[in-house]
Amino acid sequence: GENVEQHPSTLSVQEGDSAVIKCTYSDSASNYFPWYKQELGKRPQLIIDIRSNVGEKKDQRIAVTLNKTAKHFSLHITETQPEDSAVYFCAARRSNDYKLSFGAGTTVTVRA
Amino acid sequence: EAGVAQSPRYKIIEKRQSVAFWCNPISGHATLYWYQQILGQGPKLLIQFQNNGVVDDSQLPKDRFSAERLKGVDSTLKIQPAKLEDSAVYLCASSFSHEQYFGPGTRLTVT
Repeated sequence: GENVEQHPSTLSVQEGDSAVIKCTYSDSASNYFPWYKQELGKRPQLIIDIRSNVGEKKDQRIAVTLNKTAKHFSLHITETQPEDSAVYFCAARRSNDYKLSFGAGTTVTVRA
Repeated sequence: EAGVAQSPRYKIIEKRQSVAFWCNPISGHATLYWYQQILGQGPKLLIQFQNNGVVDDSQLPKDRFSAERLKGVDSTLKIQPAKLEDSAVYLCASSFSHEQYFGPGTRLTVT
């Protein structure tokens, strides 16, 4: 099955700085990579996703990059704000069975 | 549009008791998922339905967990008997295409 590893497990940044979270996956059949944000006690919410035919995607202060050859993808948050503090999960979905496998999560804390 | 609904939001039971969770997906979403999220970990898929048929239940502990999705809409997840290690948040999600929408979850505490 698919194995998704996520690093770091915790990340503390100064407000205004950038945050980067990296994930690797094992199954070359995975072709869809979403990122979810989960605030304390709330449901995971999709913030950005990328398909395997694209190398990079941006949405305002958030960007995701994908390296299919190396089987890794990253989330970049620029100009961080206190409301960016949350747990972020990466995931990978296999093209054959659409099963979504999640990373263990990164707790991001933005210091004011 | 209305989101994925789940109930109850919280449940505390003793080990060896049984418990059931309910999920109402977003209208029109054919695919429904149940995830288990243990504190400090990412969600782990327990079972996936396409309409009222099971697509994947490979990680469902079938000796104690069961799930059904009658009529291809609402779904229930049952645990019987519960163990201490079942303490977790149980998330339901639904999708129409690739994006999954999550419900608020049910936080289960087994004492």
